[in-house]
Amino acid sequence: DAVMTQTPLSSPVTLGQPASISCRSSQSLVHSDGNTYLNWLQQRPGQPPRLLIYKISNRFSGVPDRFSGSGAGTDFTLKISRVEAEDVGVYYCMQATQFPRTFGPGTKVDIK
Amino acid sequence: EVQLLESGGGLVQPGGSLRLSCAASGFTFSSYAMSWVRQAPGRGLEWVSTIDYGGGNTHYADSVKGRFTISRDNSENTLYLQMNGLRVEDTAVYYCARDVPPDSGSLFDYWGQGTLVTVSS
Repeated sequence: DAVMTQTPLSSPVTLGQPASISCRSSQSLVHSDGNTYLNWLQQRPGQPPRLLIYKISNRFSGVPDRFSGSGAGTDFTLKISRVEAEDVGVYYCMQATQFPRTFGPGTKVDIK
Repeated sequence: EVQLLESGGGLVQPGGSLRLSCAASGFTFSSYAMSWVRQAPGRGLEWVSTIDYGGGNTHYADSVKGRFTISRDNSENTLYLQMNGLRVEDTAVYYCARDVPPDSGSLFDYWGQGTLVTVSS
């Protein structure tokens, strides 16, 4: 199984400042079709998860461009260029390259 | 507009059964694999099961294998999760989500609001 780890697990940030979350997989997430199915999800308090980024770096429809994803193979990063109040929540990386699908433990982003 | 609406959750005793449903609309349901993901209170996300677009291939987390059965009715645009032999540790909000698309687009792009399953005596 691809075990997903995230750092940090908690990230207090100042409004308007950048934030960065790292995600590492225990195995390469490159699929046999050449794609890397690494997603980033946001879960606001009391809400279901919401897709932010798919296939490492593609912003999903309606996602602000202050969110960006990067990485390759086993190491990935989500960056928020300027944190806004609505960005408070838990961020998960997840892989859908293989079964079982696996999620990182989540990174809680809140405002200092 | 893509919509996924779960139902069927509730309170059940250990060893009991429940059947969850996820009604899909706003997209060609029969073209997408679908998944169930759960979240125990105050915990992270855990993948439970996936079914391919036709229903012929299924995958399960080890924690539910042999107890849960995923299925779908493409004529009714509905996804199901039959849960038998429920345990206290199955207590969670259960979400359905779109999984593999017909093209090489986004996976897990739409999620339902979830349905709460509580297993307790």
